[in-house]
Amino acid sequence: KAGVTQTPRYLIKTRGQQVTLSCSPISGHRSVSWYQQTPGQGLQFLFEYFSETQRNKGNFPGRFSGRQFSNSRSEMNVSTLELGDSALYLCASSPTLGNTIYFGEGSWLTVV
Amino acid sequence: AQSVAQPEDQVNVAEGNPLTVKCTYSVSGNPYLFWYVQYPNRGLQFLLKYITGDNLVKGSYGFEAEFNKSQTSFHLKKPSALVSDSALYFCAVRDIRGDKIIFGKGTRLHILP
Repeated sequence: KAGVTQTPRYLIKTRGQQVTLSCSPISGHRSVSWYQQTPGQGLQFLFEYFSETQRNKGNFPGRFSGRQFSNSRSEMNVSTLELGDSALYLCASSPTLGNTIYFGEGSWLTVV
Repeated sequence: AQSVAQPEDQVNVAEGNPLTVKCTYSVSGNPYLFWYVQYPNRGLQFLLKYITGDNLVKGSYGFEAEFNKSQTSFHLKKPSALVSDSALYFCAVRDIRGDKIIFGKGTRLHILP
């Protein structure tokens, strides 16, 4: 069974631009969550989706948004990029809410 | 609010010796507890979890963890460390009500040959 797939793996953006990251969960998994990982802040929870509905949300500004599609695939968007948004963005999926989550390899975002 | 603490930023262990990576948690009600490992430039890999039942949980790669409710701890252990165990280890907790999973800041484990 294929794991969680995240695209793109690496990208460089300029301050002020926006970016969209994509996540395809493990087949049959209906819950998708997103995390931001930085050396200084560790793993910070962004949001969690289940059946196309946002179920949980972390403490990030409104520039960070996400959505989930009917096939459980998810995207997250960051608008008006700042240098501090440079991070590894990790997507994880699970069969249902409250279950073990399984991570993808992440998308490395560098903002210059 | 739930939280998880990993008191050691780094742990150094000689190869062949037992290792322990510490984790304490705070959560309302009964917790779901997890350990994950991250190798350089990779995502996190699931190692093991505690939901209910036996306090000693066995996981991947020979790792195990002991749930201690009175001390609110969930320490990761391995009887004999390998150099290949060197990585970043994360403890995580989830409220039984289904709240988001919260991760500790991670502990870097160095196994010395």
